[in-house]
Amino acid sequence: KAGVTQTPRYLIKTRGQQVTLSCSPISGHRSVSWYQQTPGQGLQFLFEYFSETQRNKGNFPGRFSGRQFSNSRSEMNVSTLELGDSALYLCASSLTYLGRTSSSYEQYFGPGTRLTVT
Amino acid sequence: AQKVTQAQTEISVVEKEDVTLDCVYETRDTTYYLFWYKQPPSGELVFLIRRNSFDEQNEISGRYSWNFQKSTSSFNFTITASQVVDSAVYFCALKPNAGGTSYGKLTFGQGTILTVHP
Repeated sequence: KAGVTQTPRYLIKTRGQQVTLSCSPISGHRSVSWYQQTPGQGLQFLFEYFSETQRNKGNFPGRFSGRQFSNSRSEMNVSTLELGDSALYLCASSLTYLGRTSSSYEQYFGPGTRLTVT
Repeated sequence: AQKVTQAQTEISVVEKEDVTLDCVYETRDTTYYLFWYKQPPSGELVFLIRRNSFDEQNEISGRYSWNFQKSTSSFNFTITASQVVDSAVYFCALKPNAGGTSYGKLTFGQGTILTVHP
């Protein structure tokens, strides 16, 4: 069974540009969550999608957005990039969404996309 | 608000030593899940364990063991007879099961960098 895949793995962008990152969850998983990891702020929750609907959102500005497609693949977009957006962006998939009580809940993470903004 | 604190930023041990990673959490929710993840140099977060707040039974999996104490809001992780391959960043995380502003969000600690020397 293939794991969570993220593309691209590495990306270099310039301030002011926009970027789109892609995440393909494990087959059968319907929930996708996104996280930003930086040395200063650590791992922070961005948002979560389930069945093409955003279920939860972290404390990030509106420049960060996402969506999920009918095949559960997800994309996140960052517009008007800032130097502080340089980070490792991790995607995680699970069978159900975080807010649902489930004894079988478990998240599987992808390798991440390393975004560098210059 | 919920918070996870991993007091040890870095730990360095020699192979075969036992090592304990501390995790203390804060939450107003009465039901929640606690997690430990391992992040090797490749960057991908690897799920290690999930513990329901109702279940305070300690768990052992091979060289890994976890001690959950609700009374002190701690969920510590011990590696017995450490090996070089255990070198990684370890994260403790908390997810509430009830409603509120943190509903569904996974909150991570800052991580502990473990280095095991041969």
